[in-house]
Amino acid sequence: KAGVTQTPRYLIKTRGQQVTLSCSPISGHRSVSWYQQTPGQGLQFLFEYFSETQRNKGNFPGRFSGRQFSNSRSEMNVSTLELGDSALYLCASRKPGRSTDTQYFGPGTRLTVL
Amino acid sequence: TQLLEQSPQFLSIQEGENLTVYCNSSSVFSSLQWYRQEPGEGPVLLVTVVTGGEVKKLKRLTFQFGDARKDSSLHITAAQPGDTGLYLCAGASDSSYKLIFGSGTRLLVRP
Repeated sequence: KAGVTQTPRYLIKTRGQQVTLSCSPISGHRSVSWYQQTPGQGLQFLFEYFSETQRNKGNFPGRFSGRQFSNSRSEMNVSTLELGDSALYLCASRKPGRSTDTQYFGPGTRLTVL
Repeated sequence: TQLLEQSPQFLSIQEGENLTVYCNSSSVFSSLQWYRQEPGEGPVLLVTVVTGGEVKKLKRLTFQFGDARKDSSLHITAAQPGDTGLYLCAGASDSSYKLIFGSGTRLLVRP
């Protein structure tokens, strides 16, 4: 069974640009969550999508947005990039069900903002 | 706001030594998960503990969930260089679909 895939793996952007990251969940998983990982703040929850609806959102500015498609694939977008947005962005998927179900993480997209 | 405090932040030990990593919170979690992360990769699930007082063993790794489901520990016996990595605890609650992560413990096992 293929795992969670994320594209691209690496990305370099400049301040003020926008970026779109993509995540394909494990087949059969309908829930996709996004996390930001930085050395200073650790892993922080961005948002979760289930059946194309945002079900939960973390404490991030409106520049961070996402969506989910009918095939469960998800994208997240960051507009007007800032230096502090440099991070590893991780996507995780799980089956629908209890909130405590296991989340499986992808390898992440390393975003560098210059 | 739910927080998970993980300690220690860094640990450098010799091969063959034992170690324990702690994860503490003032909040109750429905489950607690432990992950290991290698550089440049996403976290990989090691174990999920659900019941207060639960103990799970994975080869040389022993995981325990506190009776009150507010804390957890990871004990590694006879550590090996292959155990080197970032260990993360993460709590989940029934009222939220997000995982709350601890700050992580960076473990280095020297040959």
